[in-house]
This record gives sequence, structure tokens and C-alpha cells, in this order.
Amino acid sequence: DIQMTQSPSSLSASVGDRVTITCRASQDISNRLAWYQHKPGKAPKLLLYAASRLESGVPSRFSGSGSGTDNTLTISSLQPEDFATYYCQQYYSSPLTFGGGTKVEIK
Amino acid sequence: QVQLVQSGAEVKKPGSSVKVSCKASGGTFSSHAIGWVRQAPGQGLEWMGRIIPIVDLSNYAQSFQARVTITADKSTSTAYMELSSLRSEDTAVYYCAREVLGIPYFDDWGQGTLVTVSS
Repeated sequence: DIQMTQSPSSLSASVGDRVTITCRASQDISNRLAWYQHKPGKAPKLLLYAASRLESGVPSRFSGSGSGTDNTLTISSLQPEDFATYYCQQYYSSPLTFGGGTKVEIK
Repeated sequence: QVQLVQSGAEVKKPGSSVKVSCKASGGTFSSHAIGWVRQAPGQGLEWMGRIIPIVDLSNYAQSFQARVTITADKSTSTAYMELSSLRSEDTAVYYCAREVLGIPYFDDWGQGTLVTVSS
């Protein structure tokens, strides 16, 4: 199984801050990576796929990059509605695996 | 986009089984795989398995292989996840989610179903 390691596991930030979350795979996943935003009591929401492609309707302040094993999610200017937990997911091979999550909290 | 509506919360005894449903509306059902993902309290997301309704083909994560069965009823656009031999560690919110056509990431999710396993 491909292990996905996210860091940090949590962070505190202020509105307007630039936030970067890292997701490392245990092997090359050839950019087959998705990012989700998850708020308590809600369904996860797809933000990006293919490591850097923005899902329709997702604000452009979200961006992704990566190659090989290392990927990042960046929020260029954190907004109040962005406080949530973020997960990466590899879809290079089965079983599909998720990172452990990064909780973004208000500073 | 499709709307996925799941069945309601369940409370089960250890050793019993639970069957959660996921009804799709407003989009295509049979050609997209439906996956099941769970989140235990304070934990992250865990993929359990999936089904491709049009060919009735399922596959499962190794950790659930012996206990989970995922089925689909094309006539009602409903997928089901049955988990047997429940234990307290199975207490979690269970989500169904629709895969993008032919690519296993999820663009639509159900609202989640809380399953509590308690004696």
C-alpha cells in the first residue's frame, strides 16, 4: 500500500495568511493526487485533482503542485471559510489511501 | 453533479452487521464507481472499497476484505455497504462517494452515516 504522510498535522493561521500543506507519498504517484477540504458535520469537498488542477467552482486562492512523491497545497490568502481539515488522497494504485489530515485553525 | 443521499444513523451491538444505503439522483449512476470511506472519531479518512454498478464489480481494501460487502441496485440507483462482525472500533461516520468517470478520486459525496457500535 502507498503511505501518504501529511505535514503539519495542524497549524494556526490568520485571515489573509499564506498557508502551505505538504503531502509525501511512499513512492512515485505520478501526480495522481487529489486534495479535499473537510468541515465538521459536512461531506468532504474536492478541491484539486491531478495534483494541480482546480475543481470547477473552487476559488483560485487554492493551488497545488508536486512531482514524484512530494506534493503541496497552498492557500494564497486564507479566508474565514477556509478553516477546516485538509486531506490528500493518492489514486495511483489500489487501495486508495489518504493522508492523515491537516487541521487549519484560527490564530 | 449527482446528489448522494445516505440512510440514517445506526446503533448496533458488537458482533452484529450494519447495512448503509446511498441513493443517487440527478446524474448518471451505473457507469461511475461508488466508493465507501469511513472516518472514526478523531481519525482521518479510510477507504473501504468500491463498486462499479454497470458491471457489478467490487473490490475492497485488504483490512475490510473479510467483513465488508458492497453492492448496487441499478434499478433504484442505490449502492449499499454492509459491514459484519462489528466491533467498537467500527464506530465511525461512513461516507459514500462517486468517483470521477474512470478515475478513482471523488467529486460527489454523501452526507455521511454515523454508525455507533456499543453494547
